Amino acid sequence: KNEVEQSPQNLTAQEGEFITINCSYSVGISALHWLQQHPGGGIVSLFMLSSGKKKHGRLIATINIQEKHSSLHITASHPRDSAVYICAVKYSGAGSYQLTFGKGTKLSVIP
Amino acid sequence: NAGVTQTPKFRILKIGQSMTLQCTQDMNHNYMYWYRQDPGMGLKLIYYSVGAGITDKGEVPNGYNVSRSTTEDFPLRLELAAPSQTSVYFCASTWTGEAFFGQGTRLTVV
Repeated sequence: KNEVEQSPQNLTAQEGEFITINCSYSVGISALHWLQQHPGGGIVSLFMLSSGKKKHGRLIATINIQEKHSSLHITASHPRDSAVYICAVKYSGAGSYQLTFGKGTKLSVIP
Repeated sequence: NAGVTQTPKFRILKIGQSMTLQCTQDMNHNYMYWYRQDPGMGLKLIYYSVGAGITDKGEVPNGYNVSRSTTEDFPLRLELAAPSQTSVYFCASTWTGEAFFGQGTRLTVV
């Protein structure tokens, strides 16, 4: 079964801390997405990666294709970063149209 | 661009009633999806479409139906609502780039 595993499930950090959320998957992919969901809110795309590294403001996403692993980093965390962060992958191969989601990492940043 | 527009935002249904969740995107995306999100679980795919006139079942299609008469619209139909369909529903679209999601519909079946 193709699965997406995220760790940790829950994370509490002090404001200003450097945060890392991990995502691993089991077979080859064509793309990996990092998504953000605020409590009671919609889902927003943060990054789409197929290789290497992307940066947007205080957020950095990396992917290691050989190790089938991706990380999302948040520098200088802030209470407004409190949300659920979701990793999703699109597996490679003919007919693969779906995204497979991890269960999410709930981040709480305390002032 | 509006992105993905999903309505309604909230709905309470009685057991056995039916309803349609509406989803529209204005980005000319070929791929559209319906997911449900239950507490503590990842998003589960209900149905998806790779273009107008083409739909297929996802992981949890029972109790739902979809249609895709245009590129823009992908409505989800619930027939004979059951308490097990209490969930938050998300519509999404993508093509070659990032995925875009609607704001979600919180549905309660009582």
